[in-house]
Amino acid sequence: AQSVTQLDSQVPVFEEAPVELRCNYSSSVSVYLFWYVQYPNQGLQLLLKYLSGSTLVKGINGFEAEFNKSQTSFHLRKPSVHISDTAEYFCAVMGAGSYQLTFGKGTKLSVIP
Amino acid sequence: DTAVSQTPKYLVTQMGNDKSIKCEQNLGHDTMYWYKQDSKKFLKIMFSYNNKELIINETVPNRFSPKSPDKAHLNLHINSLELGDSAVYFCASSTPGTIYEQYFGPGTRLTVT
Repeated sequence: AQSVTQLDSQVPVFEEAPVELRCNYSSSVSVYLFWYVQYPNQGLQLLLKYLSGSTLVKGINGFEAEFNKSQTSFHLRKPSVHISDTAEYFCAVMGAGSYQLTFGKGTKLSVIP
Repeated sequence: DTAVSQTPKYLVTQMGNDKSIKCEQNLGHDTMYWYKQDSKKFLKIMFSYNNKELIINETVPNRFSPKSPDKAHLNLHINSLELGDSAVYFCASSTPGTIYEQYFGPGTRLTVT
């Protein structure tokens, strides 16, 4: 079984400042890692995913994440946030050979003008 | 040309009633999912169907019954609704070629009074 811990439930940040949203996972098997974004009153949209290969993955809207196997982390970063980035962000893990996504509890990113 | 659609978007009903939520995807995917998002935004998978066959069935009360008439549809029927069923229900789909990318519908907000 897999589990995901998002270390911050809320992250306020000023516009144009950098941001990091933290995610740690645990699993007894190899994993695939994902970040999803949920804008208010909308469904989830995939930001980026790590399947294999380069540990630094780039996604949409200028986001990137780094897979760190030794620290079992997959933190999400953006060098300069915009008001439009205000949303809920979910880290998720899928065990190898599984169809099942396990989500973290989400981090609410609030961008302050 | 909505990829994953759900109806209705909002559903308000009384305890004890039976209700259904419909999901349709036009992506040609063969795996579909139902997720429940509670009031604290926690997302948990409920069911998954692959080619109309149930492949994931998490610990969900028997009052919840998924029905997949064909690969493009996965409906959720709920009997004897309870207050605790109030949540946002998301449908999602994927395909073996993109199994690591699940496409989510806009959600159905169910309120049980």
